[in-house]
Amino acid sequence: GESVGLHLPTLSVQEGDNSIINCAYSNSASDYFIWYKQESGKGPQFIIDIRSNMDKRQGQRVTVLLNKTVKHLSLQIAATQPGDSAVYFCAENSLGNMLTFGGGTRLMVKP
Amino acid sequence: NAGVMQNPRHLVRRRGQEARLRCSPMKGHSHVYWYRQLPEEGLKFMVYLQKENIIDESGMPKERFSAEFPKEGPSILRIQQVVRGDSAAYFCASSPGTGYEQYFGPGTRLTVT
Repeated sequence: GESVGLHLPTLSVQEGDNSIINCAYSNSASDYFIWYKQESGKGPQFIIDIRSNMDKRQGQRVTVLLNKTVKHLSLQIAATQPGDSAVYFCAENSLGNMLTFGGGTRLMVKP
Repeated sequence: NAGVMQNPRHLVRRRGQEARLRCSPMKGHSHVYWYRQLPEEGLKFMVYLQKENIIDESGMPKERFSAEFPKEGPSILRIQQVVRGDSAAYFCASSPGTGYEQYFGPGTRLTVT
């Protein structure tokens, strides 16, 4: 069936380095993608989104890249900080209502 | 502007009891979504509601689960005759419409003993 998945379950980076979290999706009809950050015991927190008519979008310290040719999405975090430690989920929205989430990548930032 | 609110934050029920989870969307949001999350897994869609209407319940189990979003008051996710497999975190999200980002509440962690 259609799904959203991640390549790496755990990513460990040094404080100050850049982080890249990847996500593959299989539903070619998806037209809207969102990255969420989830800290332990909390709900997902919206980070950044991108629509399928774009291939790059930047926020504060974060950049999302969308490659529709290979159905790949990535989240780049610049100058990673200890507060960035969390689980990151990509989600796709192809029907205008429900989100389909990937399995998550745990980001661990070493001081 | 208060975010999405959920209560209770933690709920313990014995097998066979009923669980009621409440969600108040962000101000100005008329679309509510419920998701379930098992430990170390992503969120799974359950149901999408607008005021007084269920729009999509394709993710809801066929039995024991129901949801409503009345004209007045919060959205309610109701689980009857709970079983241990219902233990999970249940998250509510809201949005101002379709095709917009969904903002999540802090979740209700249901434990069935």
